[in-house]
Amino acid sequence: DAGVIQSPRHEVTEMGQEVTLRCKPISGHNSLFWYRQTMMRGLELLIYFNNNVPIDDSGMPEDRFSAKMPNASFSTLKIQPSEPRDSAVYFCASSMTGGGSQPQHFGDGTRLSIL
Amino acid sequence: LAKTTQPISMDSYEGQEVNITCSHNNIATNDYITWYQQFPSQGPRFIIQGYKTKVTNEVASLFIPADRKSSTLSLPRVSLSDTAVYYCLVGGNNRLAFGKGNQVVVIP
Repeated sequence: DAGVIQSPRHEVTEMGQEVTLRCKPISGHNSLFWYRQTMMRGLELLIYFNNNVPIDDSGMPEDRFSAKMPNASFSTLKIQPSEPRDSAVYFCASSMTGGGSQPQHFGDGTRLSIL
Repeated sequence: LAKTTQPISMDSYEGQEVNITCSHNNIATNDYITWYQQFPSQGPRFIIQGYKTKVTNEVASLFIPADRKSSTLSLPRVSLSDTAVYYCLVGGNNRLAFGKGNQVVVIP
C-alpha cells in the first residue's frame, strides 16, 4: 500500500496567489482529514470528510480556505487568495472510518511558504 | 471538543522507560484515546489506541484509569531513534482534538 500521498511536497508562492494542495487517501478508507501545523499553534484539524461528504469544517480559518472531495480517491485544499500567515505544513490523513475509533494514517505533508 | 493537556518536553536516557501522561478531563463516553509519534519533516505516525484499562503492542503500552480523564503512554527501553514529538488524540464520532504534543529527547 502506497499510503497517503500528498502533492506538492513544497510550495513557495507570492501572497495573493491561489494555492491548491492535493491528497490521495489510502484505498478503501472512508474518512479524510486536512490538518495544518505551525510552531505556534501545533497541529490543527481544518476539515474532515466521511464518504466524500464534509462533516466538520469548523477548523477552516476563513472563507479563503475551501476543501473538496469529488471522489473517494482525491481531495483538494485550496487557499485563495493566499497570505503570509498561511505559511505552514499541511497534512492530509485518512482512516477506515470517521471519528476516533480507527487510527489515522498521515501523508508526509506539504510545506507551504507564502512570501 | 475534548481537549488534551501534555507536558511540553522531557528528556530521558537511552535504555530507560519513558512515561508520558495526557489529561483529557472532558472525555466523552464514545471517545477513544490514540497516541501518535512525529519525526521532523514527517506526518504523525500511529503508535497505540485504547478505550479503557491497559493496551499493549510491540512498541508501547497505554494505561487508562477507570475515570478515563487521563492516559499514560509508556515506552520501554527507549533508544535515540525514539526522539520525537508524541501526541495524544482524544475523539470519537465527530469529536477530534490533538494535544500540543510532548517533545521527548533521548540522551545517549
